[in-house]
This record gives sequence, C-alpha cells and structure tokens, in this order.
Amino acid sequence: GQSLEQPSEVTAVEGAIVQINCTYQTSGFYGLSWYQQHDGGAPTFLSYNALDGLEETGRFSSFLSRSDSYGYLLLQELQMKDSASYFCAWATGNQFYFGTGTSLTVIP
Amino acid sequence: DAEITQSPRHKITETGRQVTLACHQTWNHNNMFWYRQDLGHGLRLIHYSYGVHDTNKGEVSDGYSVSRSNTEDLPLTLESAASSQTSVYFCASSDDQDPYNEQFFGPGTRLTVL
Repeated sequence: GQSLEQPSEVTAVEGAIVQINCTYQTSGFYGLSWYQQHDGGAPTFLSYNALDGLEETGRFSSFLSRSDSYGYLLLQELQMKDSASYFCAWATGNQFYFGTGTSLTVIP
Repeated sequence: DAEITQSPRHKITETGRQVTLACHQTWNHNNMFWYRQDLGHGLRLIHYSYGVHDTNKGEVSDGYSVSRSNTEDLPLTLESAASSQTSVYFCASSDDQDPYNEQFFGPGTRLTVL
C-alpha cells in the first residue's frame, strides 16, 4: 500500500530551526511536496522536490532522498506566524497522497 | 488577480440528498482536483481532471462524481449524501507543466450531513 509518515506535533522556539521529517512507502514515486495550513484554512504550497537533494526558498528548505524514501522540511529563523500544520505530499503517476500533517507550535 | 473560489462555504444537508459543491478558478489551469480533509486523515484525493471532458477517480471517489464542461469549473456532486461525507472539501488547480507541483487551493467548503 501507500503511506506517508510524519510526526504529529512539534514545538520549537522563536528564532530557532526546526526540521519536519516525512517517510514514505510506495510502489511508485514522482515527487514530494510540502504545504502549510493555518487553522483549517486553504493549504498553501511551500516546496516541491522531484529530484534528490535540497531545494531552498527563503527561510524554508526541503530535502529528498529517494534511496531512503525520506524527505524533510527545514524552517529557519522561526517566527510566531510559522505556527501551523505542515503536510508532506507525494505524487505517483495518477494519484496524489497527503500525510496526516505535523502541527508546529512556535513559542516565544 | 487570478483566484480559485468555492461555494457555498458552509452547507448543511440531510442524508440521502444530492449536493453539488462548486469550484471556479481563473488561473486558466487545465488541472483541477477535489480533496476532503478529516481529522486524522490529512487531505485525500476524491477526483481530478486534466482538462475539459477529462475526469479521473482519486483515492476516495465512492459516492462522488465530477464533470468538466469548461476550463474554469469542476463541480463536485454527492449523489446521495451520507453522514460519513461530513467533511471539509477543498478544490485545487495546477498548471500544465507538472500537475503535482504547485497546487493552488480554494478556501474550502464545510459540509455537514445530518
């Protein structure tokens, strides 16, 4: 079957760095995406890795290792507004699956 | 500015009724998707479309249908609403180059089936 695993909750201090991991088990793989969602609002796109390696976009970076079936989202210089849920999502040829999400709480 | 809208934003209906949720995008994207979000399940793909007259089943398509008669709209129909379909529904769209790269999500429709 297909599955994505990520931690359910993470707490980090304002200004710090946090890493949210995502491991997947699948018979096919196309790419790994990350989305942010505040309080049940519309998910917003953060990053996408189709190839192994690190993608950097401002304070956010995402990493993918296909050989390890593993990826992570790295958030730097945490701000209070980064408190939200973060979802990894993977694509196979004709399907798109989301993980159950990681609730990030940033504390002062 | 281009956008994606959903209506209604909130809907209460009764078991057995047919319900249609609207999704309209002005991005001119060929790819459109419907998801449902429930506690403990993240978002799950219901149906998707790669263009006019194209529709495909997602992971949880039973009890739902879609039709695509133009580029802008992908309405989602619940043929006979069930309490298990109480959920928040999100519509999304993406451009042609990579349908699974950046998806733009609508604000969601909260559906309650009594």
